[in-house]
Amino acid sequence: DAGVIQSPRHEVTEMGQEVTLRCKPISGHNSLFWYRQTMMRGLELLIYFNNNVPIDDSGMPEDRFSAKMPNASFSTLKIQPSEPRDSAVYFCASTLGARSGPHNEQFFGPGTRLTVL
Amino acid sequence: GQSLEQPSEVTAVEGAIVQINCTYQTSGFYGLSWYQQHDGGAPTFLSYNALDGLEETGRFSSFLSRSDSYGYLLLQELQMKDSASYFCAVDNYGQNFVFGPGTRLSVLP
Repeated sequence: DAGVIQSPRHEVTEMGQEVTLRCKPISGHNSLFWYRQTMMRGLELLIYFNNNVPIDDSGMPEDRFSAKMPNASFSTLKIQPSEPRDSAVYFCASTLGARSGPHNEQFFGPGTRLTVL
Repeated sequence: GQSLEQPSEVTAVEGAIVQINCTYQTSGFYGLSWYQQHDGGAPTFLSYNALDGLEETGRFSSFLSRSDSYGYLLLQELQMKDSASYFCAVDNYGQNFVFGPGTRLSVLP
């Protein structure tokens, strides 16, 4: 398996522009997570899907952020409009089963490094 | 609220043993995980503890005490490639998934 795939790997944009990050989870995995990582705030969970349904979006910072999972093999995280403080590395991760349990290893994608000027 | 505490930095020499502690305060608890992240890389899973006690996986072991809200990661026979950041993470079943601030381990020759 190719693992979790994210695109783009790097994104540089200007403040006010729309940004869309993409993720393809590992085939057969039922749960998908979006994280944001910065030096100041560490690794933060933004949203979690199980069987394509958003379960926990309490980490989504504000209305400018939205996430979708139209099918089991694809998810997007959209920021509109983007701001400089959104600059971070955004990771997507997937797990085989439900989020909790002894086999809840999360497989992370390589991340998207977002820079908003 | 929920919080996890880890030392920010740990330094050790090759071949040594190092222990990275993690204490947590959460409204619910299902298990404690450990992840490793090299600079510029993605977190990778190391271990998971749901029950009290020690779990051993090669050179790495992880311990959990649910009554003390405490766990640790033990790395033995340190190698240069072990230089990385290590995160503990709490899984609050049905509520949230929270990563600790991370511990940066530097292994010196």
